[in-house]
Amino acid sequence: DVKVTQSSRYLVKRTGEKVFLECVQDMDHENMFWYRQDPGLGLRLIYFSYDVKMKEKGDIPEGYSVSREKKERFSLILESASTNQTSMYLCASSLSNLLPGDFGSGTRLTVV
Amino acid sequence: QKEVEQNSGPLSVPEGAIASLNCTYSDRGSQSFFWYRQYSGKSPELIMSIYSNGDKEDGRFTAQLNKASQYVSLLIRDSQPSDSATYLCAVGTGNQFYFGTGTSLTVIP
Repeated sequence: DVKVTQSSRYLVKRTGEKVFLECVQDMDHENMFWYRQDPGLGLRLIYFSYDVKMKEKGDIPEGYSVSREKKERFSLILESASTNQTSMYLCASSLSNLLPGDFGSGTRLTVV
Repeated sequence: QKEVEQNSGPLSVPEGAIASLNCTYSDRGSQSFFWYRQYSGKSPELIMSIYSNGDKEDGRFTAQLNKASQYVSLLIRDSQPSDSATYLCAVGTGNQFYFGTGTSLTVIP
């Protein structure tokens, strides 16, 4: 089974902090995704990557950046955390760009 | 704006009944369609994928796709209390995927 591991289950950060969310997958998948999930808004794509050092913006990239230096690791960076970035963040990876992917367990981020 | 619409529910069915979950999408160019199940406090889990018109069956689950009507559904036969969860519809367009907000299903013993 694919294992997608997110480094933190819960995080509390202060407004203005730089925040790093880490995601690692162990199945040599090319494709990795970062989503956020909010009540009433569903899952929304922030960024995705189809290869090392490659990134594409999703629907809501503002305030975020990503890094993919190694195939197995995809990091989401909040340059200056704001309260409206309080959310559940979900990382996913997939073998094919025809699949949304298998999800990690999520990181619930609270920005105070 | 790509849109994927689901009835948020909650949908309640008695144990053993058929649960029917529906999803419509706005982009006629969409090519791939998925159903995820998400238990409370957990991450989504892929349960069905469908790429062409018609029905696709996997155990108690059947996905139905009608591209002309831009409609995809999930039928769960012989519903069990363990099926109680939120079901997310996802639609693939180009190299992106768009999710609905999910339908909450409760199966009553």
